[in-house]
Amino acid sequence: GESVGLHLPTLSVQEGDNSIINCAYSNSASDYFIWYKQESGKGPQFIIDIRSNMDKRQGQRVTVLLNKTVKHLSLQIAATQPGDSAVYFCAEAGGGATNKLIFGTGTLLAVQP
Amino acid sequence: DAGVIQSPRHEVTEMGQEVTLRCKPISGHDYLFWYRQTMMRGLELLIYFNNNVPIDDSGMPEDRFSAKMPNASFSTLKIQPSEPRDSAVYFCASSWGQGVTAFFGQGTRLTVV
Repeated sequence: GESVGLHLPTLSVQEGDNSIINCAYSNSASDYFIWYKQESGKGPQFIIDIRSNMDKRQGQRVTVLLNKTVKHLSLQIAATQPGDSAVYFCAEAGGGATNKLIFGTGTLLAVQP
Repeated sequence: DAGVIQSPRHEVTEMGQEVTLRCKPISGHDYLFWYRQTMMRGLELLIYFNNNVPIDDSGMPEDRFSAKMPNASFSTLKIQPSEPRDSAVYFCASSWGQGVTAFFGQGTRLTVV
């Protein structure tokens, strides 16, 4: 079946820098994308979402970019803080199974003080 | 709202024993999902329900796994008999209507020895 995959398993950044986490998806029928953050010992936590009719959406310190041409999704975190250290997952849904979320493999973000 | 509640948080059992994991979704949510997370396979969707009815169980690994949702506020995932390869963190999540964003519980860490 089709799957979502991440380019980088680990990303190390300095506190205060901006972080960019990338995700490639393969199901062109997907029309909804979500970024989740998972801290150690906890369940995934919703960060931000975007629908396929948009190419950019901003939240508090986070921005999600969607490039449907190359099936690429990214999460930008501004002024990264130690509390941002976690595993970040992208997830996709749609293509007739709107509520079925398929997750990527995850990227570990390590913020260095 | 207390969010999605799972029990137990940790379960250690011997191979061959029956294991039952429990989930209480967020009140008012009509979708419920069971996911399994391992280092090797990431987050896998096992099964999901809509209005207490199983919609897609294609992710259930084998007949040893079964899930039920007797009412809108309770679901179980049962493994019988359990095997060491079932060791993982099992998450329950819920969402509402056409809102795809799923909210996750804290998970149950299952260890089968």
